[in-house]
Amino acid sequence: GDSVTQMEGPVTLSEEAFLTINCTYTATGYPSLFWYVQYPGEGLQLLLKATKADDKGSNKGFEATYRKETTSFHLEKGSVQVSDSAVYFCALRSYSGGGADGLTFGKGTHLIIQP
Amino acid sequence: GAGVSQSPSNKVTEKGKDVELRCDPISGHTALYWYRQSLGQGLEFLIYFQGNSAPDKSGLPSDRFSAERTGGSVSTLTIQRTQQEDSAVYLCASSSHRDRGNINEKLFFGSGTQLSVL
Repeated sequence: GDSVTQMEGPVTLSEEAFLTINCTYTATGYPSLFWYVQYPGEGLQLLLKATKADDKGSNKGFEATYRKETTSFHLEKGSVQVSDSAVYFCALRSYSGGGADGLTFGKGTHLIIQP
Repeated sequence: GAGVSQSPSNKVTEKGKDVELRCDPISGHTALYWYRQSLGQGLEFLIYFQGNSAPDKSGLPSDRFSAERTGGSVSTLTIQRTQQEDSAVYLCASSSHRDRGNINEKLFFGSGTQLSVL
């Protein structure tokens, strides 16, 4: 079945540091890939997505590139801020599986940015 | 409201009691999902509603779990005879898309209900 593996947290960085949160996946077919973010006390929000190989999703300074050859979708940001502190979820949607609803999530990575 | 609303935000209950969790989706959204987020685990699909169609209950972990969606809007997730392993955050999401799994479907999530079973 489909699965998403992302680095476990918490990840603690200083403000303005470079961020990478690794995400790899296994899936049948050609999945779409997503990053969701959950800020403290709020619901999940879609951060960015990519729908085919070599696509780059970007939003709020975050980027992730769909790498089919390495089955990865790593999240990056060049200079993090305290306000980026949140839990980040990598997810995929596969047309040929991936759970009962075709959407499979990783376990989430808690990011803590210190001033 | 503008977003998906869930209540209560926190629920503490004793083992063996029944609990009801409520979800108010975004007005006009026909699709509604329930997910569970256990400590250290990813989001686990529970149930999916689409309009007046029969729900997809294939993710419910046991017959102690049930959900209803009245009038195609508000949904209630009921857990009977709660167990400690039911402790988790229960998330609700809604979507305006009628084609589940469509590449363009965008889910809007509520803040969740933190359930603690003592």
